[in-house]
Amino acid sequence: DTAVSQTPKYLVTQMGNDKSIKCEQNLGHDTMYWYKQDSKKFLKIMFSYNNKELIINETVPNRFSPKSPDKAHLNLHINSLELGDSAVYFCASSRQWGNTGELFFGEGSRLTVL
Amino acid sequence: GENVEQHPSTLSVQEGDSAVIKCTYSDSASNYFPWYKQELGKRPQLIIDIRSNVGEKKDQRIAVTLNKTAKHFSLHITETQPEDSAVYFCAASTGNNDMRFGAGTRLTVKP
Repeated sequence: DTAVSQTPKYLVTQMGNDKSIKCEQNLGHDTMYWYKQDSKKFLKIMFSYNNKELIINETVPNRFSPKSPDKAHLNLHINSLELGDSAVYFCASSRQWGNTGELFFGEGSRLTVL
Repeated sequence: GENVEQHPSTLSVQEGDSAVIKCTYSDSASNYFPWYKQELGKRPQLIIDIRSNVGEKKDQRIAVTLNKTAKHFSLHITETQPEDSAVYFCAASTGNNDMRFGAGTRLTVKP
């Protein structure tokens, strides 16, 4: 039973298109995140949500819009895709806000923009 | 914001040798320091963590040390095995769920 699941696992698309990645966690955690891992393997935080509320919004282009319909789901929508958006996007969750503990990562979604 | 630096970027050791990876952090408010292992094509997974009220923690062949004064922490792997080959990430957090990662160390253990 997968704890943090992301779909799709692979996404190949053309520049200028709009795409979404979905994430769901069944751990009962309050906090969810999106991280971007580029080709050099650097893991960079993009967004953090606590109980559906946006808490951290790093310097990310506003073409990226997260949405959390409930605390178990955090989706990422990307408009007008650019070549530089190609990366692996990891969703993660942790138990509660203000008491940092282990991050549980999803399997990642590899986005390739042609 | 927090800045985490990690060295070396690549590390190659012979099976059975020890491996040490070092990280420094900038925010003195950081109080949680985990280490993650990422195998090729897989997700990062926690292998060990330490909180700021502890100087050292050990779990079988892996150990982590923390020097709060100098703002650095290290991962030690003893008796390395080929299956230890992976990318290792250190991270730091102030407790506001703002986990920042180092750039990663690619460890290769040669049989």
